[in-house]
Amino acid sequence: DGGITQSPKYLFRKEGQNVTLSCEQNLNHDAMYWYRQDPGQGLRLIYYSQIVNDFQKGDIAEGYSVSREKKESFPLTVTSAQKNPTAFYLCASSSRGLFQPQHFGDGTRLSIL
Amino acid sequence: GESVGLHLPTLSVQEGDNSIINCAYSNSASDYFIWYKQESGKGPQFIIDIRSNMDKRQGQRVTALLNKTVKHLSLQIAATQPGDSAVYFCAEKGEKAAGNKLTFGGGTRVLVKP
Repeated sequence: DGGITQSPKYLFRKEGQNVTLSCEQNLNHDAMYWYRQDPGQGLRLIYYSQIVNDFQKGDIAEGYSVSREKKESFPLTVTSAQKNPTAFYLCASSSRGLFQPQHFGDGTRLSIL
Repeated sequence: GESVGLHLPTLSVQEGDNSIINCAYSNSASDYFIWYKQESGKGPQFIIDIRSNMDKRQGQRVTALLNKTVKHLSLQIAATQPGDSAVYFCAEKGEKAAGNKLTFGGGTRVLVKP
């Protein structure tokens, strides 16, 4: 089945620690996105990538980093500089083109120990 | 900046009735709109999309309506079922949005009463 796989489902971070969230897609989509969702709120864009080896900051990129070395993978690192990392993180992908919906994985819930 | 918002945070509906979820948007240059359904602990699931050159788009049991004059979106769900209980988000894409970025509304929770 084609889809987007995020792992792990739950992740705990200690103070001062960097953690990396995985996102893999087998939909052959060019574009990939990372969002943060806080309780009772909508989605806010962290980073996005339209093509391999290229990515752009979204609205809340501070304290996060990404890489896009392969078309199917777009890992997100939550660095120690992100002072409020507790949230639900969602990865999405889409085909290129003006009217292509984004499709989402089932998220990673990150908490602070 | 430009944003998408919702009128009602929670909608309670009787099973079998029709549901209407509303969304206002402020970017008159938006050309593409999407509705998503999110169940607890899961990612948003694509329901239906509608382009700015359309007023209405019909899916299976769902209809998306777009009124560009007043910048208003609606999602109609016919014969609402318990499985329709979820949070619904609208999202919009600006005509010249870099990377086809979407702007999401805050969401409406739909509760289906048996």
